[in-house]
Amino acid sequence: NAGVTQTPKFQVLKTGQSMTLQCAQDMNHEYMSWYRQDPGMGLRLIHYSVGAGITDQGEVPNGYNVSRSTTEDFPLRLLSAAPSQTSVYFCASRSPTGNYGYTFGSGTRLTVV
Amino acid sequence: SQELEQSPQSLIVQEGKNLTINCTSSKTLYGLYWYKQKYGEGLIFLMMLQKGGEEKSHEKITAKLDEKKQQSSLHITASQPSHAGIYLCGARPSGNTGKLIFGQGTTLQVKP
Repeated sequence: NAGVTQTPKFQVLKTGQSMTLQCAQDMNHEYMSWYRQDPGMGLRLIHYSVGAGITDQGEVPNGYNVSRSTTEDFPLRLLSAAPSQTSVYFCASRSPTGNYGYTFGSGTRLTVV
Repeated sequence: SQELEQSPQSLIVQEGKNLTINCTSSKTLYGLYWYKQKYGEGLIFLMMLQKGGEEKSHEKITAKLDEKKQQSSLHITASQPSHAGIYLCGARPSGNTGKLIFGQGTTLQVKP
């Protein structure tokens, strides 16, 4: 089915390790975003992109990098994992037109020990 | 920066009762989105409001955006256990259509 695909679904990292969370969408959406969700804090925006080659910081960008070389993919890189980055990460995409919201992936649950 | 405040943070209601969740901003809202999330799952888009005074309904859920576009409410009529979950409001900051920020969420439990 069409949608937003996130991999992996679960990941355990040691402090200091790096990794990339993958996000791919097949709906030709120009807008893509990464969020983290922590208990009682809703969704907080990490980085977002309005098209290939264009990215911008959200509310909590520190410790994360992104790039957008294609319309379909928007990977999120953790440079040096810290326990504070233990969270559930969601990727989302949206077309700039139309009266509907972002389509969300099913999430990646990351634990940093 | 724009902040969205949701109230209440959590809610327990008896099945069949009506309930309202509020989402308030300190600034004008441009594109107000309501989502529902079941525990451990992704977010499901419910509806989007853009114009002051706009109201939309889907099944037993009605969302409104006030005239000043600074407050939205989500009303559920005759709640059912299937309505349980986390409800989140999101909004686009002015002039930036690619950026969507969220409130902290409202957890709803419906007792049979």
